[in-house]
Amino acid sequence: QVQLVQSGAEVKKPGSSVKVSCKASGGTFSSYALSWVRQAPGQRLEWMGGIIPLFRATNYAQNFQGRLTITADESTYTAYMELTSLTSEDTAVYFCAREVYYGSAFQRVFYFVSWGQGTLVTVSS
Amino acid sequence: EIVLTQSPGTLSLSPGERATLSCRASQSVSSSYLAWYQQRPGQAPRLLIHGASSRATGIPDRFSGSGSGTDFTLTISRLEPEDSAVYHCQQYGSSPPTFGQGTNLEIK
Repeated sequence: QVQLVQSGAEVKKPGSSVKVSCKASGGTFSSYALSWVRQAPGQRLEWMGGIIPLFRATNYAQNFQGRLTITADESTYTAYMELTSLTSEDTAVYFCAREVYYGSAFQRVFYFVSWGQGTLVTVSS
Repeated sequence: EIVLTQSPGTLSLSPGERATLSCRASQSVSSSYLAWYQQRPGQAPRLLIHGASSRATGIPDRFSGSGSGTDFTLTISRLEPEDSAVYHCQQYGSSPPTFGQGTNLEIK
């Protein structure tokens, strides 16, 4: 069973950046498909983007294009989500989640079979 | 993108009763690629159902999913106190994947 463990809570100033990590244990990390999903207070879950390290395949939701970078370090079994130009609207719990996908690595559809515990990011002046 | 609308917003039932949760899509969900998740307070979501009706590993048969096209249902029979949670639907038939706004199930 794959376990995903995320880094701790962050408090950031508006205009700054945040980088959240997600360390996987069990299985073959490079072949995983991992996504980032956020949950702002009172809002529905929102998919942000994902990565499959084996294929160097990343995809991003249009809402985050240009502001979001997802990377993976295969040597440490860790995925990262970096979000820049933060505003108060980015205050949310950020989850990493392992995908089960259909289609090709670059054009896939997917659901989420397991989740990290979540990381609270608070953006406040 | 496909918009999912869940109803009711809140459902309050007693142990032993049956819960019926609805998820309606703004357009047809391809291949019935619809998942359901349970999220207890302070926890991450947990996968219950994928492919509209296939239970995830370890999920008891009290949980069942049905539906196709634009209308999907999650049924929870013989409610237990631990079923108190928010339930989310998610479509993955087209990109980007999208979620409903959630149904809050309270067990009296």
